[in-house]
Amino acid sequence: QVQLKESGPGLVQPSQTLSLTCTVSGFSLTSNSVHWVRQPPGKGLEWVGAIWSGGSTDYNSALKSRLSISRDTSKSQVFLKMNSLQTEDTAIYFCLGAAYWGQGVMVTVSS
Amino acid sequence: DVVLTQTPSTLSATIGQSVSISCRSSQSLLDSAGNTYLYWYLQRPGQSPQLLIYLVSNLGSGVPNRFSGSGSGTDFTLKISGVEAEDLGVYYCMQATHAPFTFGSGTKLEIK
Repeated sequence: QVQLKESGPGLVQPSQTLSLTCTVSGFSLTSNSVHWVRQPPGKGLEWVGAIWSGGSTDYNSALKSRLSISRDTSKSQVFLKMNSLQTEDTAIYFCLGAAYWGQGVMVTVSS
Repeated sequence: DVVLTQTPSTLSATIGQSVSISCRSSQSLLDSAGNTYLYWYLQRPGQSPQLLIYLVSNLGSGVPNRFSGSGSGTDFTLKISGVEAEDLGVYYCMQATHAPFTFGSGTKLEIK
């Protein structure tokens, strides 16, 4: 059974760094890509980035200067790090892989 | 980046009515290997999105066959043949042919 679960801080201060973890089960990170998608409150979906089965990455053009995605295949975990956070980064952050989505984690950027 | 334009932005339907949603891409989604990475997702209120259609016209696991996808190149359509109450929510198309991947702006389906 495929499952993905996001975890991380619910509140981040402006200019600080966001660190999120996506823990997966039911599939292998070396055979499937994992993507991050975010959704600001009341708005649509925005693709953030992905790490491919071979370990390479792709990022949203507008975010790539602040973004890093990595993984630990031994722990079946994918990590998202985004620096210089602003209020516009407030959103639900989802991870998805093998056609399934996690439940999402709400991140609020506020002092 | 590829821009996906979804229309309409809002759709109101009665139970049993058939409806269609359009997704138009700013460039062809056909890749050099002959694949078209166009997906459709439904996000019900308060839930994560779920996969409906992959590779233009393939039904996701457990998805009712009243949903169908069609299209090629830059023009794609999601059709619901006989709307049911559980179909309410926001529908998104997404392209995964050209990195960075992109979503359409969404179509909200309301039940009359």
